[in-house]
Amino acid sequence: GEDVEQSLFLSVREGDSSVINCTYTDSSSTYLYWYKQEPGAGLQLLTYIFSNMDMKQDQRLTVLLNKKDKHLSLRIADTQTGDSAIYFCAEKSGDYKLSFGAGTTVTVRA
Amino acid sequence: DGGITQSPKYLFRKEGQNVTLSCEQNLNHDAMYWYRQDPGQGLRLIYYSQIVNDFQKGDIAEGYSVSREKKESFPLTVTSAQKNPTAFYLCASSLTLGGSWISTDTQYFGPGTRLTVL
Repeated sequence: GEDVEQSLFLSVREGDSSVINCTYTDSSSTYLYWYKQEPGAGLQLLTYIFSNMDMKQDQRLTVLLNKKDKHLSLRIADTQTGDSAIYFCAEKSGDYKLSFGAGTTVTVRA
Repeated sequence: DGGITQSPKYLFRKEGQNVTLSCEQNLNHDAMYWYRQDPGQGLRLIYYSQIVNDFQKGDIAEGYSVSREKKESFPLTVTSAQKNPTAFYLCASSLTLGGSWISTDTQYFGPGTRLTVL
């Protein structure tokens, strides 16, 4: 079955790096996603990684995938106040279905 | 502007009433989805549709109904049978429903509708 876990809260100082961690259980996952949700809004796709990749970088975002440990992380470099949001990890296994974690609330402090 | 729109943004319902949430997309996507979000929880799938005139139950379909008469539209009705309907409802779409190794089934989300039962 699918089970995705994330820590619930992260507080980071402006300008520092944020690292959000996620673990999943389905070894047949094909794609893993990171979405961002600002208050009262829908989910915005940030990035995704194919399961045969170890790393993907996109501007300030770096995704690391450890398939052996079923561990995914999202690093945000030079964190800004606009990065304050809830971040969801999601995995897609062999069919259409996305399984979401509960979300990590990131708070950026001055 | 291409995207997914949901209306209304806020909806209030009395107990015992049915309400319909609108979802429209102009991305030419075949697949559409409805999710429910509760505080401190991940998203849970209510219904999904692979193509026009076809839809399937997700994990928590009880008390909900959908239709897919047009490619662009996938309305969700929250019926009086839904015991705890107060939640944030999110609609999503993807180019295809997808198979295992296809990135074109990446899901894109609308802005959501917050439903409150009074």
